[in-house]
Amino acid sequence: LAKTTQPISMDSYEGQEVNITCSHNNIATNDYITWYQQFPSQGPRFIIQGYKTKVTNEVASLFIPADRKSSTLSLPRVSLSDTAVYYCLVGDIGNKAAGNKLTFGGGTRVLVKP
Amino acid sequence: DAMVIQNPRYQVTQFGKPVTLSCSQTLNHNVMYWYQQKSSQAPKLLFHYYDKDFNNEADTPDNFQSRRPNTSFCFLDIRSPGLGDAAMYLCATSKGGGSNEKLFFGSGTQLSVL
Repeated sequence: LAKTTQPISMDSYEGQEVNITCSHNNIATNDYITWYQQFPSQGPRFIIQGYKTKVTNEVASLFIPADRKSSTLSLPRVSLSDTAVYYCLVGDIGNKAAGNKLTFGGGTRVLVKP
Repeated sequence: DAMVIQNPRYQVTQFGKPVTLSCSQTLNHNVMYWYQQKSSQAPKLLFHYYDKDFNNEADTPDNFQSRRPNTSFCFLDIRSPGLGDAAMYLCATSKGGGSNEKLFFGSGTQLSVL
């Protein structure tokens, strides 16, 4: 099971780009990298997922270097409503055969200021 | 349009009084999870069902039990709640358990123990 390490918190301002890097040195060959966003008093919400190189969707981009030992979530032009905790998850989430299940790391608390 | 529904949103119970939290899903997903999330902490997996196959995390207290009577419903039973069990309880689903699967969370049940 790949353990993930993220910064505890980041501050930004409206309109800026926010980049959050997650380290996962023990990532397995078959592991995908998935990011979730969580607002206070709500369940986490899927943002983006990738395996290698770059993935982009309507809310974020995910950059994964060739060695896949880290990944960077990029939030373009953040607004106040992007203030949330962002979690990076790597590995099987509920596969009993895998012997272990995905656990959430500490997450990164992003505060967007006016 | 809700896909993972948790009831109630807020639950108050007394110390030692059994309580049951409910989760239902309209996604027809095979896997259902229960997470516990305490204030300012990451969600912690308690157990999950892969179809009818129950998988308990090693450090989940015996005080916590779960039932999944059918594909759509899953229950969390806390037999004798203590003050330390006050937390947000999150239900989640996924189609399968692999690394590329996505978790779909409910809005959570905030449990208070008096």
